[in-house]
Amino acid sequence: KAGVTQTPRYLIKTRGQQVTLSCSPISGHRSVSWYQQTPGQGLQFLFEYFSETQRNKGNFPGRFSGRQFSNSRSEMNVSTLELGDSALYLCASSSSPKTGANTGELFFGEGSRLTVL
Amino acid sequence: AQKVTQAQTEISVVEKEDVTLDCVYETRDTTYYLFWYKQPPSGELVFLIRRNSFDEQNEISGRYSWNFQKSTSSFNFTITASQVVDSAVYFCALSEGIRDYKLSFGAGTTVTVRA
Repeated sequence: KAGVTQTPRYLIKTRGQQVTLSCSPISGHRSVSWYQQTPGQGLQFLFEYFSETQRNKGNFPGRFSGRQFSNSRSEMNVSTLELGDSALYLCASSSSPKTGANTGELFFGEGSRLTVL
Repeated sequence: AQKVTQAQTEISVVEKEDVTLDCVYETRDTTYYLFWYKQPPSGELVFLIRRNSFDEQNEISGRYSWNFQKSTSSFNFTITASQVVDSAVYFCALSEGIRDYKLSFGAGTTVTVRA
């Protein structure tokens, strides 16, 4: 069974640019979550999507957005990049039923490492 | 608000020693989930265990064991007879209620096992 796939793995951008990261969940998983990991703030929840709907959002500015497609693939976008957006962005998928209570674990991808210069 | 505290920043041991990682959490939810994840240098978070708040039965799985004590809000993790491959960063995490896709993570404990 293929795991969670994130692309690109590494990317470098400059301040003010925007970036789009992609996540392909495990086949059959309908929930996709995004996390940001930085040395200073650690792992922080960004948002979660289920059946193309955002169910929950963390405490991040509106520059951070995402979406989910009908095949459960998800993208997140960061606009007007700042130096502080340099981080490892992790995507996780799960087989969460619509009620919101998960039946199992979150499967994480290897992440997309973004460097903002 | 959820909060997870891993007081140990780094632990270094010699192979075959036991390692215990501490985790203390804060939550107002009555139902929640606790997790331990391992992050090797590749960056991927590897799931180790999930525990429901109403299930305080401790568990042993191979060289891993967990001690969940709701009275002290602690969820500690022990690696018995550590191996070099256990070297990684270990994270304790807490769900927001039953929304176990929304986790609050501790700062992580870096475990280094020396041969």
